[in-house]
Amino acid sequence: GAVVSQHPSRVICKSGTSVKIECRSLDFQATTMFWYRQFPKQSLMLMATSNEGSKATYEQGVEKDKFLINHASLTLSTLTVTSAHPEDSSFYICSASRDRGSYEQYFGPGTRLTVT
Amino acid sequence: GENVEQHPSTLSVQEGDSAVIKCTYSDSASNYFPWYKQELGKGPQLIIDIRSNVGEKKDQRIAVTLNKTAKHFSLHITETQPEDSAVYFCAASVPGGSYIPTFGRGTSLIVHP
Repeated sequence: GAVVSQHPSRVICKSGTSVKIECRSLDFQATTMFWYRQFPKQSLMLMATSNEGSKATYEQGVEKDKFLINHASLTLSTLTVTSAHPEDSSFYICSASRDRGSYEQYFGPGTRLTVT
Repeated sequence: GENVEQHPSTLSVQEGDSAVIKCTYSDSASNYFPWYKQELGKGPQLIIDIRSNVGEKKDQRIAVTLNKTAKHFSLHITETQPEDSAVYFCAASVPGGSYIPTFGRGTSLIVHP
């Protein structure tokens, strides 16, 4: 159990367009979902935390109007990169935890975004 | 806030050898320490974790030790195999809030056949 999927796995978009990434918990209900960004050969950088039905909490320095997060159900969270620019190119990874008080996070396979 | 240091950044071993990766943390309130394995182009996968009320935990070829006094924890992989080659991340979590882990910078483990 505890499988998290992401879609798409890879996306290329043109500068100025928006792209949506989906994160789904397949076999459990995820009270909390997290979005990370990872640059090549770097560690994971937390972008935001979202709880189902409430607004996401963004980390310092992350623009909430640029990275729109929606956690509409207990199995789905979406990250929309709006007006994407080449510097937004990165590996985006989501994770999910079962309960608010749960330590364990289950990661998705990641989405490679390339903005041309 | 919590700060996690991880060493070495790169570790190269021969197949069959043991590999040890070490991490230190700064916040004595941290009580959950997971280790993740990330293969190229994939998301991190939890391979083992330990809580602060335990000093050691083992799962087949993988073991983790925790020294709360010194605030450091280590990952031990015995009888390494080429498929163990990946980037390994340690993390530490403080209870409360969303239990968000602080990650180390990662160790690239290369196992030569």
